[in-house]
Parts: sequence; C-alpha cells; structure tokens
Amino acid sequence: DTGVSQDPRHKITKRGQNVTFRCDPISEHNRLYWYRQTLGQGPEFLTYFQNEAQLEKSRLLSDRFSAERPKGSFSTLEIQRTEQGDSAMYLCASSSSDGFTGELFFGEGSRLTVL
Amino acid sequence: AQSVTQLGSHVSVSEGALVLLRCNYSSSVPPYLFWYVQYPNQGLQLLLKYTSAATLVKGINGFEAEFKKSETSFHLTKPSAHMSDAAEYFCAVNPYGNNRLAFGKGNQVVVIP
Repeated sequence: DTGVSQDPRHKITKRGQNVTFRCDPISEHNRLYWYRQTLGQGPEFLTYFQNEAQLEKSRLLSDRFSAERPKGSFSTLEIQRTEQGDSAMYLCASSSSDGFTGELFFGEGSRLTVL
Repeated sequence: AQSVTQLGSHVSVSEGALVLLRCNYSSSVPPYLFWYVQYPNQGLQLLLKYTSAATLVKGINGFEAEFKKSETSFHLTKPSAHMSDAAEYFCAVNPYGNNRLAFGKGNQVVVIP
C-alpha cells in the first residue's frame, strides 16, 4: 500500500492555459475526493466519486473544472482556461465504502500557480 | 450549512507545555467531528474522531479531544508539547449521511524549545 499519490506535485502555468492533475487512490478504496486549499484556509470540497460515478459536485466547481474517474481507479482533475484565482493546492483523498467514517486518506497535493 | 470555527491561525507553545486548540461547530444535529493533522510536506492524516460514542476521544501521538454538546465544542489537547507536534491542525465536521467534510481554517502550531 503506497498511499494516495498525486501528480504533478507542482505546476506553474500562464493564465489561460489548461492543466490536468492526476490522483491514484489507495487501491482497495472505491471512494475518491477532490479538495482545494488556498493560503490560510482549510480544504474545501470540490467533488466526490464512488467507483466511476461522480456523485457530488460543489458550487466551487465551475464550468472550467472537470473531473473524471473513467475506470473507477485513478482520477483526473482538469482546469481549462486557468485564472489567477485558481492558484491553490489541489488535494485528493480516498476512502473505503464501509459507511462514511470520516477517515479520508489524503495525498500530498498538487500545487498550482497561475501567473 | 454545517461549519466549524477555529480561532487563532498561529499558535505558539513551549516544549513541554499544554497544547490547546479550540474548535466550535455549528450544527442543528449532533455531528461527526474530526481533527486532522498536516505535517510539513505531507498529506493530511486523521488524528481522532467523534462519532457519538464516548465524549472524550483519544487519538494518536497523545492527543485527545472532548465533545461538549452544551458548548458546541470539540477542543483538542495534549498535556505536553513535543517538537514533533509542529504542524497544521484542522477541525472538520460532517452531518449524518453526508460524504463530504467541512474543514476549519486550521491552526499552525509552532513549538518553542
């Protein structure tokens, strides 16, 4: 068990470019979450998958954001036409489906800087 | 909406002194409550959780938290701070049947030798 891994760890991009982040959850976990964390704030929920189905989306997830989990394993989060306000740490977490115990296993995050 | 409030973004504590981090929640029903910790360059990890069993919850690394419904609080304590406790601590809440956590703004703990 190697834990939740995220790639890339850091991404610097220019405003208007598209970026994609990848998350590989713990292999036996069928729930996967994306959160966003900005400076001085706690993580904010973006979206949640159970297997390949995207079951919840936050109002924070504008039309420029899209998340997928095509085979119920890894997930990608794409941001189109990035804006400076998108600069943040994007966190991925996974959990098992034995009820919701609140124990999420987080990756180390992908830090996005939009210039 | 359910939320948590953590006061004082930065907390300095002397090594060996009591660590006290405050968390108050807003909820119309008894929630599930959590404390997560984030060490430098690591992902968040669960420190402890309250799920309506015992009101005093013990976690890892000597931390504990007490659920007080009358005060809508879930404060985190550790009797004696260690240098390795330097980290950011987040209180979080989720209502029954919800799969998302709502986090507080966090407390950055600095331990002074």
